Amino acid sequence: GAGVSQSPRYKVAKRGQDVALRCDPISGHVSLFWYQQALGQGPEFLTYFQNEAQLDKSGLPSDRFFAERPEGSVSTLKIQRTQQEDSAVYLCASSLGQGVGYTFGSGTRLTVV
Amino acid sequence: KQEVTQIPAALSVPEGENLVLNCSFTDSAIYNLQWFRQDPGKGLTSLLLIQSSQREQTSGRLNASLDKSSGRSTLYIAASQPGDSATYLCAVPHNYGQNFVFGPGTRLSVLP
Repeated sequence: GAGVSQSPRYKVAKRGQDVALRCDPISGHVSLFWYQQALGQGPEFLTYFQNEAQLDKSGLPSDRFFAERPEGSVSTLKIQRTQQEDSAVYLCASSLGQGVGYTFGSGTRLTVV
Repeated sequence: KQEVTQIPAALSVPEGENLVLNCSFTDSAIYNLQWFRQDPGKGLTSLLLIQSSQREQTSGRLNASLDKSSGRSTLYIAASQPGDSATYLCAVPHNYGQNFVFGPGTRLSVLP
């Protein structure tokens, strides 16, 4: 597609519920990143894929967070047993590779009640 | 560990003013720096990407400079307009990974 597409745009989850957030990167983009952005702050890195390989997951805050990109294109970020502190905007970005700029999606705003 | 700060945190100016946003980073061994714009409730839009070999980049009324040795970048906006109102973020590559480290952003309001 022309840009990075994320769905859903908004998600309200009850505490303890599992959620899955989807990212469709730009076609042909090798690198895919997930970021978490709390209100009033800059995005913070969660995890990075190069094609289907998850090369860095050092930013995932707990083992409740899991990401996959099985065919090297669409990626899913899953959060199990959501907690209130998980409320944030989750941003996905893709790029052609190292040294090239990112393109971001519009994000998924997750609210845990 | 790479850390990024931005000054000021917020800025309110009348329309037509020229303004400068500042970004500082702790590790100067970067290969590029990127400036983004974020509108409320939206994702990030890339404005300018400066490679480490460049000192500045220009796009329309925007000019970004990079001084690696001092760990600084500035974003200059000429003749500001109300449509420029947004949060501006700078980002540099993380020391040991592929990801970018973002500053907290400067929230800009341009008043008509």
